[in-house]
Amino acid sequence: KNEVEQSPQNLTAQEGEFITINCSYSVGISALHWLQQHPGGGIVSLFMLSSGKKKHGRLIATINIQEKHSSLHITASHPRDSAVYICAAGRDYKLSFGAGTTVTVRA
Amino acid sequence: DTAVSQTPKYLVTQMGNDKSIKCEQNLGHDTMYWYKQDSKKFLKIMFSYNNKELIINETVPNRFSPKSPDKAHLNLHINSLELGDSAVYFCASTRTGTEETQYFGPGTRLLVL
Repeated sequence: KNEVEQSPQNLTAQEGEFITINCSYSVGISALHWLQQHPGGGIVSLFMLSSGKKKHGRLIATINIQEKHSSLHITASHPRDSAVYICAAGRDYKLSFGAGTTVTVRA
Repeated sequence: DTAVSQTPKYLVTQMGNDKSIKCEQNLGHDTMYWYKQDSKKFLKIMFSYNNKELIINETVPNRFSPKSPDKAHLNLHINSLELGDSAVYFCASTRTGTEETQYFGPGTRLLVL
């Protein structure tokens, strides 16, 4: 079993809808990362968090350390948000990755 | 100004050949990584280096040999390439360790025929 589990695997939303992606991890971590991979293949870091909540524009990431769970929310989704979103658990110079969630936002 | 660059972007080669992928970061970071993304798009760490020293070697076959000549460079040499080595290889760097934001290179698509 993978150390990091994401759900759902795929998600389709209409433009403007609120999107939530969930991530659970089974290992101790020093930080939880959310990454975005666009269809072109490049990977960009969205958030790195070790507690609480972070917000950047329409994106919000939360983490519950006790429950070993994190969520990524996209508010007012837009077709340009279509990408693969990847959760990764970081500790001791190592990232363990989830399988990714493919998000498609339709206009 | 590319923060993390990789060369080449594409690499097509025959089984059994030896090839190298180069990575350079101009961010002044201490830690660099190699990741492999397989055909199912699953990312997995291969190596991490801190201050030119190998920290993580994640059960990678010894046909893969990373080399860090200085903190800004982490190269990956692959001997005797196999079909299963076909993947996208990403280099990344952080200021120090995984408690920092990761900056990824654009990836190198390797196809072994």
